[in-house]
Order: sequence, then C-alpha cells, then structure tokens
Amino acid sequence: KQEVTQIPAALSVPEGENLVLNCSFTDSAIYNLQWFRQDPGKGLTSLLLIQSSQREQTSGRLNASLDKSSGRSTLYIAASQPGDSATYLCAVFDSGGGADGLTFGKGTHLIIQP
Amino acid sequence: EAGVAQSPRYKIIEKRQSVAFWCNPISGHATLYWYQQILGQGPKLLIQFQNNGVVDDSQLPKDRFSAERLKGVDSTLKIQPAKLEDSAVYLCASTSQGGIGNTIYFGEGSWLTVV
Repeated sequence: KQEVTQIPAALSVPEGENLVLNCSFTDSAIYNLQWFRQDPGKGLTSLLLIQSSQREQTSGRLNASLDKSSGRSTLYIAASQPGDSATYLCAVFDSGGGADGLTFGKGTHLIIQP
Repeated sequence: EAGVAQSPRYKIIEKRQSVAFWCNPISGHATLYWYQQILGQGPKLLIQFQNNGVVDDSQLPKDRFSAERLKGVDSTLKIQPAKLEDSAVYLCASTSQGGIGNTIYFGEGSWLTVV
C-alpha cells in the first residue's frame, strides 16, 4: 500500500527566504506526482504535475523535482511571500487497489512572516 | 472554464441523521472522485467513477455511505446514519481521462460537522 510522508509538518519563516518542502513515497511505481496548495476553508489547487519520466517542473517561483527511484520529491519556493502561507500537499498517482487515484501526504503547514 | 462545483459548502447535523452532498464536475470530465479529508490529514479516496460506472469503492464505508453518478455527470454522496467520526471535508474532484498524466481538479469541498 502506497504511503506518502511530508516533512516538515509545519514551517514558519520570514518573508524573502528560499525554502524546501520534502515528500517521500514508499512505492516508486507511480504515474505522476502532484503538489497542491490548500488555503484555509478552501479546496485544493494544483501547483505542479510531474510525470514519472520527468525530473522537474517549474512554475514561476516554484520548482518541483522528482527522484522516482529513491521515492522522493521536493518543492522549492523562491523568495517566499506572505501570500504563500498555506498548506502544501504532495500526492502520488498510481493504480494500486484498482482505483486510479491520488495518495496524499498529510501536508506541510507553511507560514511566511511579513 | 467553470471549476468543480460542490454544495452545500457547510453542514452541521446531529449523529444518526443523514446528509447528502452534490458535485458537478468540470464539463467533459469522465472521471470523478470523492475524497474525505479529516482535519490535519491528507485527503483519502472514497470512490472513483468513470462516466457513470464505479471503478473502485474499496475505501467507502458501505454500511453508511453511498454514492451515485447518474448519467455520468453530477454525483451525490450520502451518509446515513452519520457518526461523529464522519466530521470532515468531503472533496469532489474530476479529470478528463482517468487521471494518468492529467491534472486532477478539486472543488472547494463540503464541510461536515457531526455533533
């Protein structure tokens, strides 16, 4: 059974810092990996999707890497801003158990201090 | 493009009562998911539909939860009778073709509190 772990569980940093969020997964037979953002009281917004054949994806100040063989992904946020404060969720897409669905980590709760 | 729509957004019920949540996916999306997110946890898949057929409902507590997707578009998730541990956010998501290689889009969720 796929398990996804995110470290750290919570992070508070001053504005302007570059930071890294970590995600690990136990079964490397994945189709893709997605990073999501969740604001309080809101649903999930997809940030980046990395296919299993890719090594990284970039969108603006966000860069996500994938090392499928070691079961790891990182989300790099450059020049953090208070508006980046949210919970960041990592999810892997596989076909375990008959369903083609996402297995999520518990998330990293990020606070950017002004 | 309209996103995934869910209603109601918030619901408070007493234990043993029933509740139903509605989801309208993005137009043309064949695959629809219902996830349960308990506070402090990541979302957990409850059921997946492909058009109007169930692909997998192995994690759906079938003694109290039911879901349907008539005509392969809208879907409803029902809980009857509700328990305290059902308090969670119920997220509906959709994607165009089974999700492999495609972004999955989530609604804003239906927040359930069972008292």
